[in-house]
Amino acid sequence: DVKVTQSSRYLVKRTGEKVFLECVQDMDHENMFWYRQDPGLGLRLIYFSYDVKMKEKGDIPEGYSVSREKKERFSLILESASTNQTSMYLCASSLGTSGTHYEQYFGPGTRLTVT
Amino acid sequence: AQKITQTQPGMFVQEKEAVTLDCTYDTSDPSYGLFWYKQPSSGEMIFLIYQGSYDQQNATEGRYSLNFQKARKSANLVISASQLGDSAMYFCAMREAPGYGGSQGNLIFGKGTKLSVKP
Repeated sequence: DVKVTQSSRYLVKRTGEKVFLECVQDMDHENMFWYRQDPGLGLRLIYFSYDVKMKEKGDIPEGYSVSREKKERFSLILESASTNQTSMYLCASSLGTSGTHYEQYFGPGTRLTVT
Repeated sequence: AQKITQTQPGMFVQEKEAVTLDCTYDTSDPSYGLFWYKQPSSGEMIFLIYQGSYDQQNATEGRYSLNFQKARKSANLVISASQLGDSAMYFCAMREAPGYGGSQGNLIFGKGTKLSVKP
C-alpha cells in the first residue's frame, strides 16, 4: 500500500524561526511535491523535485527552500517563518513524468501556525 | 486565466441521491489528464478517478464516474447513491504533457467544492 508520511500534523512556530517540514515516501517514486493549501485558493505548488538533489520552483516559491538528499525524502524549509506562511502544507509523490496518467499520492498534511 | 474552474464552492445532497460536481478546464494541449481528489476533514487528499484526453469512454470507479465532454472542456464528477462519508472537499485537477507550452507536467488544481451529504 502506498504511503506518504509527514513529520508533524500540527506545528506552531514563532515569527523568524527556521522551520523544517519533512516528507517521506516508501513507493520509490521519482517525483515529490510540496503544496500549500489555503481556504478559497485551492492547492498551490511551492517546489517539486524530479530526482535526488534536483529541485524546481513551483508557483509560489518565495520564502521557501527545499532539500532532497535521498530519493524517499523531500524537505521543505522556511528560512525565517512569517505569519503569512500560516497554512496547511501537503506533500505528494508520483511515479513518472512522461505521459499524463501519474496520479499523485498525498501525505496527511501539516497545519503550520506562525505566531 | 484559470486552467481549472470549479464554480460550486459548496453543495448539499440528500443521502442516497446522486450528485454532480462541475469542473471545466482550459488547455490547448491535445494530451492531458484530468483527476478528481477527495479531501475529508482529516486533511489527506485521496485520489478518486482519472480521465485521459484520448480515452474514448468515460472513466468509472465504483460509485464515481466522470462525465467527460471534451468539446465543452468539462470533466464533471458524478457520485451515485451519496453516503454520509462522502461529505468532503472535492478537487478537480489537470496535468498537461510535460514540455507542451512550457508545462512542467505538474498537477493544476481547482479551488474545490465542499460537498455536504444530508441524512
